[in-house]
Amino acid sequence: GAVVSQHPSRVICKSGTSVKIECRSLDFQATTMFWYRQFPKQSLMLMATSNEGSKATYEQGVEKDKFLINHASLTLSTLTVTSAHPEDSSFYICSASRDSGNQPQHFGDGTRLSIL
Amino acid sequence: QQQVKQSPQSLIVQKGGISIINCAYENTAFDYFPWYQQFPGKGPALLIAIRPDVSEKKEGRFTISFNKSAKQFSLHIMDSQPGDSATYFCAAIAGGFKTIFGAGTRLFVKA
Repeated sequence: GAVVSQHPSRVICKSGTSVKIECRSLDFQATTMFWYRQFPKQSLMLMATSNEGSKATYEQGVEKDKFLINHASLTLSTLTVTSAHPEDSSFYICSASRDSGNQPQHFGDGTRLSIL
Repeated sequence: QQQVKQSPQSLIVQKGGISIINCAYENTAFDYFPWYQQFPGKGPALLIAIRPDVSEKKEGRFTISFNKSAKQFSLHIMDSQPGDSATYFCAAIAGGFKTIFGAGTRLFVKA
């Protein structure tokens, strides 16, 4: 159990385009979902935490108007990179946990975003 | 105080050998310690986890050793195989708060 599906796995698009990434918990209800960004050979950098039905909490330095997060249901969260630029190119990974307690996060397979 | 320090940064082990990755923390409020395995181009996968009320947990070839007084924990991979070659992240969670990840260890198991 605890499968998290993330789509798309890879996106290549032109500068100025907005890109939406979906994260779904397939076999459990995710009270909390997380969005990470990972640079090559580095650890995961938390961008924001989202709880179903409420506004996401963004980490310091992450532009909330740039990275729009919606957590409309207990099984779906979306990250929209608005007006993407080459510096937004990265590996984006979502994760979900069953509740806000000390439960492990279960990760999607990530989205490789390349902005030309 | 929120950091989790992980070492080594990279590790090369012969097939059949034991791989050991160490992590240390400061925040005594951490009460859950998962380990994740990540292959290139994939998201991290939960490997094994431990709570501080036990000193060791074993699942197959993977063992976590936990030293609460020293605030240290480690992952041991017995009989390491080339398929174990991946990046490993330790992590720590204080109930209700976000997960703090270590910097990662790139393991390469030589055939």
